[in-house]
Amino acid sequence: SQTIHQWPATLVQPVGSPLSLECTVEGTSNPNLYWYRQAAGRGLQLLFYSVGIGQISSEVPQNLSASRPQDRQFILSSKKLLLSDSGFYLCAWSRGTGSTNEKLFFGSGTQLSVL
Amino acid sequence: KQEVTQIPAALSVPEGENLVLNCSFTDSAIYNLQWFRQDPGKGLTSLLLIQSSQREQTSGRLNASLDKSSGRSTLYIAASQPGDSATYLCAVFSGSARQLTFGSGTQLTVLP
Repeated sequence: SQTIHQWPATLVQPVGSPLSLECTVEGTSNPNLYWYRQAAGRGLQLLFYSVGIGQISSEVPQNLSASRPQDRQFILSSKKLLLSDSGFYLCAWSRGTGSTNEKLFFGSGTQLSVL
Repeated sequence: KQEVTQIPAALSVPEGENLVLNCSFTDSAIYNLQWFRQDPGKGLTSLLLIQSSQREQTSGRLNASLDKSSGRSTLYIAASQPGDSATYLCAVFSGSARQLTFGSGTQLTVLP
């Protein structure tokens, strides 16, 4: 069976510090990978998605970047965090089949507080 | 650009009541519509997925319907229980990049 791991669960960082959130998927190959952010009281916003190694698409211009160094590894980074980067970050994967029953499976999330 | 709206933003009902959550979307060219549940501080749990060619899906006490032409979906919860208390999110899978666009959710509280 497939599993998705996301860490850390919570993170408190000062403004201006770097960020690295990691997500890995097990039990599947060549998945589509996604990073979402959920700000307090708001819906989930797609930040980045990837259809393959080294292929990253950005949906929202911002202070963040993403990388996919391995097939099942997706990393969200920042060189200098801003207060507005605070939020709940979720990693997700799908099979990337393009079929109408394609589901997204989510990790347990990272609560990031920038102080 | 796809936009998803959920009404109401919050709902409080007594235990045992049947309830309906609403979701609307602006672009009817979708692959599927998914309903998720989110508990506070947790990730998302998939509840139901309705393919674009389907009208409804059922799982236990949950029934989701889809009217693609009008851009609407409803999630019906029968005989609500306190354990159903959570935020329910509607999301539409659409676009050439096959992206999932979320509504802002309905926060449901079922009172014992």
